[in-house]
Amino acid sequence: NAGVTQTPKFQVLKTGQSMTLQCAQDMNHNSMYWYRQDPGMGLRLIYYSASEGTTDKGEVPNGYNVSRLNKREFSLRLESAAPSQTSVYFCASSDPDSGNTIYFGEGSWLTVV
Amino acid sequence: GNSVTQMEGPVTLSEEAFLTINCTYTATGYPSLFWYVQYPGEGLQLLLKATKADDKGSNKGFEATYRKETTSFHLEKGSVQVSDSAVYFCALKKNTGFQKLVFGTGTRLLVSP
Repeated sequence: NAGVTQTPKFQVLKTGQSMTLQCAQDMNHNSMYWYRQDPGMGLRLIYYSASEGTTDKGEVPNGYNVSRLNKREFSLRLESAAPSQTSVYFCASSDPDSGNTIYFGEGSWLTVV
Repeated sequence: GNSVTQMEGPVTLSEEAFLTINCTYTATGYPSLFWYVQYPGEGLQLLLKATKADDKGSNKGFEATYRKETTSFHLEKGSVQVSDSAVYFCALKKNTGFQKLVFGTGTRLLVSP
C-alpha cells in the first residue's frame, strides 16, 4: 500500500550541482505532478504530466526539467541548483477513476548552499 | 483565473475549543473543493471534499459546506484535539477536462492541552 513514493527524502546540494528527484506511484494513475512548498506561499505547481507521454509547465517551471519515464514514474531534475530552489518538493498523482483526488508523497527536503 | 484565499495563521486554540478556518475561492464554473491536512514532517493528505454546491464534506469530526452564494468552503470542527495540530490547505479543482489543483497558502493550527 505504498501510494506515492519519492526519493531522496533529504538532500543538500552545492550551488551549480545537478540532481534528480525520483517519484513513483503504484495506483495506476494517469496524471502526475511536482509541487514545491515554501513558507507563506503554499504549494506551487512546477510541472505536471496529464498522461503518460505528455508533460507541461506549471506556475514555476524555470530551472527544472521533468521526465515521465512510464505510467508509474515521473522525475524532476535540477540541472544547475540555485539557493532559490531550497524548498520541500512533493510529487503527487491523480486519476478520474479515483474521483480526481490528488495523492501526495511524503516530500523531499532540498537545501542548496 | 482560479484562486483560493485562506485566513492567515497561526490559529491557536485550547483543546476542546471550536475551530473555524475560513476559505473563499474565485473560479469560473463550478469547481470541486478540497481540504488537505499536513502533519509535521509529512506530505498532504486529503481531509474532505465536496463536488457541488450545498454538498457537505466530512471526516474525522471536520466538516465543510460548499457555499456557492458566498463562494466559501469554511472548515469547522466542534472540539479540537492536540493531535489536530497541523497545517490545513483549502484547494479547488475545476471539473471539466484535465484541471490542476489550485491551493491556498495554508493555515497552521496549534492546539494546546
